Amino acid sequence: DGGITQSPKYLFRKEGQNVTLSCEQNLNHDAMYWYRQDPGQGLRLIYYSQIVNDFQKGDIAEGYSVSREKKESFPLTVTSAQKNPTAFYLCASYTWDGANYGYTFGSGTRLTVV
Amino acid sequence: QKEVEQDPGPLSVPEGAIVSLNCTYSNSAFQYFMWYRQYSRKGPELLMYTYSSGNKEDGRFTAQVDKSSKYISLFIRDSQPSDSATYLCAMVLRTGNQFYFGTGTSLTVIP
Repeated sequence: DGGITQSPKYLFRKEGQNVTLSCEQNLNHDAMYWYRQDPGQGLRLIYYSQIVNDFQKGDIAEGYSVSREKKESFPLTVTSAQKNPTAFYLCASYTWDGANYGYTFGSGTRLTVV
Repeated sequence: QKEVEQDPGPLSVPEGAIVSLNCTYSNSAFQYFMWYRQYSRKGPELLMYTYSSGNKEDGRFTAQVDKSSKYISLFIRDSQPSDSATYLCAMVLRTGNQFYFGTGTSLTVIP
């Protein structure tokens, strides 16, 4: 089955540590996204990538970094510069051919600072 | 003003009730409108997708778009406990691929 795989499901980070969240898709979608979800704030866009080796900042990119070396993979690094990283992180992919689209989410990674 | 406004609830209804979930938006250029359902600690899944104004029905779910009022709705008939989730509205511009989400409405259907 095609889909998006996020790992790990739960992640704990110590103060001052960088951590990387994995996102892999086998849908052959071009565009991929990272969102952060906090209670009462909905989904906020961190970074997105429309093609390999290119990515753009979203609304809350500070303290995060990404790479897009392969079409299938879009890992997110939460750096020590992100002061409040505890949240639920969602990866999504998207394709649009002018008539139909697909926007699929992964199952999420819950990051907690300890 | 946010691009998309959605009442966060929580909304609690008895089993079998008709549920109405709503979003308003400010950008008249939005063309595609979606509803996602998100169970606790899971990723959102697409429920309904509509283009421009009108109604779309799928089983117990009906999505309605009123572009003149910048208002979209999701109706759930004969609600079931399994419908208990957070419902997110989303919309996208005609030429864009960035989605604008509402904050989500938490729904509980009581058996």
